Amino acid sequence: SQQGEEDPQALSIQEGENATMNCSYKTSINNLQWYRQNSGRGLVHLILIRSNEREKHSGRLRVTLDTSKKSSSLLITASRAADTASYFCATTPGTYKYIFGTGTRLKVLA
Amino acid sequence: DSGVTQTPKHLITATGQRVTLRCSPRSGDLSVYWYQQSLDQGLQFLIQYYNGEERAKGNILERFSAQQFPDLHSELNLSSLELGDSALYFCASSRQGIGELFFGEGSRLTVL
Repeated sequence: SQQGEEDPQALSIQEGENATMNCSYKTSINNLQWYRQNSGRGLVHLILIRSNEREKHSGRLRVTLDTSKKSSSLLITASRAADTASYFCATTPGTYKYIFGTGTRLKVLA
Repeated sequence: DSGVTQTPKHLITATGQRVTLRCSPRSGDLSVYWYQQSLDQGLQFLIQYYNGEERAKGNILERFSAQQFPDLHSELNLSSLELGDSALYFCASSRQGIGELFFGEGSRLTVL
């Protein structure tokens, strides 16, 4: 079964708005990562947050991690049409495993 | 370009057949991961190798097998193919255990 579950499954917003997607997971982790996938393409790493970090920023991305609730959120500010993609969280419950969630499909309307 | 190369990009075959998917990791990366992504689904972890040795196994069917060779490239063998095996198969590599993963563009397998 999947370690991570993203919420919502799909999100449609207007260009310029902020997009927030959430990830919940089941077991303790070393770190949590977010990846982006354009339709049918390979995944691209966006950001990594370690289990002892609570918040991290990278450009228009802000990630939070709450290990007590086993959840993380990804905020994309000032969304652009080019941000349209699927976003996945990945957790590392062990040293060698990366478990991906089910993904959030984001559509940014121009 | 992630530096991870997967071949073939597309493959169409019939039920019962066997195929081999190939992955060349980024230069210097010792870990290779295989994932299966069915239509509109998340990524299912199949198997991971580190410097030629199997290190982690996920939901990999007995009909599937993989190996990593001394030059670090990896192959995923799928046999007795069924319609449900149609999917995108991704390879990813990393330099060490739990850092960033670099994905190839995938091999799209269609079983008719």
